[in-house]
Order: sequence, then structure tokens, then C-alpha cells
Amino acid sequence: ELKVEQNPLFLSMQEGKNYTIYCNYSTTSDRLYWYRQDPGKSLESLFVLLSNGAVKQEGRLMASLDTKARLSTLHITAAVHDLSATYFCAGTSNAGGTSYGKLTFGQGTILTVHP
Amino acid sequence: EADIYQTPRYLVIGTGKKITLECSQTMGHDKMYWYQQDPGMELHLIHYSYGVNSTEKGDLSSESTVSRIRTEHFPLTLESARPSHTSQYLCASRLAGGTEAFFGQGTRLTVV
Repeated sequence: ELKVEQNPLFLSMQEGKNYTIYCNYSTTSDRLYWYRQDPGKSLESLFVLLSNGAVKQEGRLMASLDTKARLSTLHITAAVHDLSATYFCAGTSNAGGTSYGKLTFGQGTILTVHP
Repeated sequence: EADIYQTPRYLVIGTGKKITLECSQTMGHDKMYWYQQDPGMELHLIHYSYGVNSTEKGDLSSESTVSRIRTEHFPLTLESARPSHTSQYLCASRLAGGTEAFFGQGTRLTVV
């Protein structure tokens, strides 16, 4: 059974600073996803990482995947207030059979960016 | 932009009432999912479907039921709502072999 753990769970940052959110997963995952959720809203897809060594960047966010270490990171560069949200990583696992694309989510990281 | 819709967006209902949460997608996706999310918590899969007339229970036990009579429609029903059902319910869909799951806007359910 796939388990996904994020850390930190709470992150308070100053604008302009850099930081990284970590996502560890327990078994082989076909794919690794990063989502953003604003309060009371649905999930917005940020990145889909498909293979070892994959790196994707969009604006101030960069995600990477190391399948050997079972680790994905979401790096924030020069944070701005608009990045304040909850960030989730999620994986899919086909261990023991077809996953049907079912997502297993981490606990989420609540990011607050202060002026 | 994803074409997946949930109604209602917000629902406050009394204990014991029967409710149906609607989820529709116009992308022709064969896989659909229901996730439950308590405030400030992670999402848990409660139901999924990989095609018409197929439904399966997810990782988190739920008293709700689902049906999949048409590809585009995946409603979730609670026969008798209880305060413990208060939560946000998110519907998602994916194309077979596709990499990305698309989420609806969610239904925030409060049972009083």
C-alpha cells in the first residue's frame, strides 16, 4: 500500500526567500503529482512527474523526482504572497495490479508567505 | 481548462435526509473518482469507477454509494445523512492512459 508523507506540514516564509517542500513515498509510484489548493477551493494541478530525474519548472516553483530515493521536492524561489496556499503531493501505485490511476495524497503543506 | 462540474457547491442539510452529489464531465474520461477531504486534511479516495457499470470502493470506508450509468456522470448518494458526513467531497476524472487527473470544484456538505 502506497503511503505518502510530506514535510514540513506548516511553512511560514518571508517574501523573497527560498524553501523546499519534501515528499517521501513508501513504494514504487508510477507518477508523482503536485497540487495547489486555496482555502475552500478545489485542487489545481501544478506538476506531473513521470520518471526518475524529472524536473519541471513553472514560475517560482520547481519540482523534481528521485525514484531511487522515493523522494520528490517542490522548491520555491523568491517567494511572493500569492504563493500562499496548501500544497499536496500525490502518487499512484500499481503494486499488485492496475492502479486505475487512484491517487494517494500526502498530508499537505500549508504555506504562508509574509511580507 | 478542465470540464468537470459538481453540484451543489454548498449544501446544508438535516440529519436523516437523503442526498445526491452530482459530478459530470464532458471530456469523455472513462475513469472517475470521489475523494473526501476534512478541513485542513489530506484527500482520501472513497469511490472510483473505470467505466460504465463499474464502481469500486476506495481506501477510506464510506457509507455513501455511487453509480455509473453514463460515462459522463458519476453521482454520489448518502441515504441518511449524519453530522459525521460533514466534509468536502471532490470529484475527479482521468482518461485511460492519461497522466493527469482533473478535479471538480467540490461540494462542501454540512449535516446539522
